[in-house]
Amino acid sequence: AQTVTQSQPEMSVQEAETVTLSCTYDTSESNYYLFWYKQPPSRQMILVIRQEAYKQQNATENRFSVNFQKAAKSFSLKISDSQLGDTAMYFCAFMKGSYNTDKLIFGTGTRLQVFP
Amino acid sequence: AAGVIQSPRHLIKEKRETATLKCYPIPRHDTVYWYQQGPGQDPQFLISFYEKMQSDKGSIPDRFSAQQFSDYHSELNMSSLELGDSALYFCASSPRTIVDRWKDYGYTFGSGTRLTVV
Repeated sequence: AQTVTQSQPEMSVQEAETVTLSCTYDTSESNYYLFWYKQPPSRQMILVIRQEAYKQQNATENRFSVNFQKAAKSFSLKISDSQLGDTAMYFCAFMKGSYNTDKLIFGTGTRLQVFP
Repeated sequence: AAGVIQSPRHLIKEKRETATLKCYPIPRHDTVYWYQQGPGQDPQFLISFYEKMQSDKGSIPDRFSAQQFSDYHSELNMSSLELGDSALYFCASSPRTIVDRWKDYGYTFGSGTRLTVV
């Protein structure tokens, strides 16, 4: 079975600074996908960034980037130039790789607070 | 762009009552997933459907049942409600194959139905 661990229940950062959220996972699968989702107070689940495990290059989306270390089974999220609107719960998620889509397995989340 | 539509947005029920949650996927998406998120918890997978057939099952209580209809919308039926069923219920939809899902930025979540059992 796959597990996803987020060891930081809460993080805080000042506006315009950089913050890194940690995520580790455990799987015996060789092909899989990793995601970071943002859940603001509205509770909407919003995709932030995604990574295919077979790709060595780290994914980036504007101010968001990941540090994917496959051997260490680590998938951290870096948020640069933090903005007040980044305040939210962040979930790391794993999906087993296959031809067909599959369910997401979530970590317990990290609550990020961005201060002015 | 069309999103995943869930109804109702909020629902208040008494213990032992029945509730029905509905999910309308994005057009062209044929796979639907249901997740339950308790207060302060991460989403837990309940059940999924593809082409009107159950494709996977997670930690869904026997009191719950679900189905997918010919128009691909799905309904989650919850009976004998308990206080512990109070949660946010998410539906997500995606195209069936990884290739289509990746192209389409698929796997889109709805806004959820907040169920409160009193």
